[in-house]
Amino acid sequence: AQKITQTQPGMFVQEKEAVTLDCTYDTSDPSYGLFWYKQPSSGEMIFLIYQGSYDQQNATEGRYSLNFQKARKSANLVISASQLGDSAMYFCAMRGVYGGATNKLIFGTGTLLAVQP
Amino acid sequence: KAGVTQTPRYLIKTRGQQVTLSCSPISGHRSVSWYQQTPGQGLQFLFEYFSETQRNKGNFPGRFSGRQFSNSRSEMNVSTLELGDSALYLCASALGINEKLFFGSGTQLSVL
Repeated sequence: AQKITQTQPGMFVQEKEAVTLDCTYDTSDPSYGLFWYKQPSSGEMIFLIYQGSYDQQNATEGRYSLNFQKARKSANLVISASQLGDSAMYFCAMRGVYGGATNKLIFGTGTLLAVQP
Repeated sequence: KAGVTQTPRYLIKTRGQQVTLSCSPISGHRSVSWYQQTPGQGLQFLFEYFSETQRNKGNFPGRFSGRQFSNSRSEMNVSTLELGDSALYLCASALGINEKLFFGSGTQLSVL
């Protein structure tokens, strides 16, 4: 069965510093995709970054990068130069293809990030 | 380009009633999936539609149903509401299968 684990329920970071949010996954699928989403208190789920299991390079999107270590089954999100607006809940999610192509996502429990001035 | 639009934003119902939630995907997106988010259970997959066909269904009772129309808009329906159905319901759209998913702002359902 597929599973996503986020071991950090909450984190603090100082404004302008970098922060790493941990995510480990478990799957037997040969092909899968990993996502990170940001959910502010308003509730909307904002897409941040995507990494495919066969992508050779780590994904980057502006201040966000994904540290993908396939052998360790980890997909940590790195936010560089944190801003106050980065304070939110962050979710790691995985999509597999076992049983057929799908857009079904399995989510972790989330990490609440607080950026301090 | 407009994002995923979910209506209504907030909904208050009483036990036993039924409710219909609407989701308009990003223009050109043909895949729509629904998720339920609660403090206790986190984010759970409800269903997935592509070109009007349900491709996947999560582990929810038959009171939860959905459909997708020819213009890719989707609705989900919950009948005989229970207190435990109180949740944020999120809709996500994608161009196709195995594409990036983009979410709407959700519908916050409260069952009294």
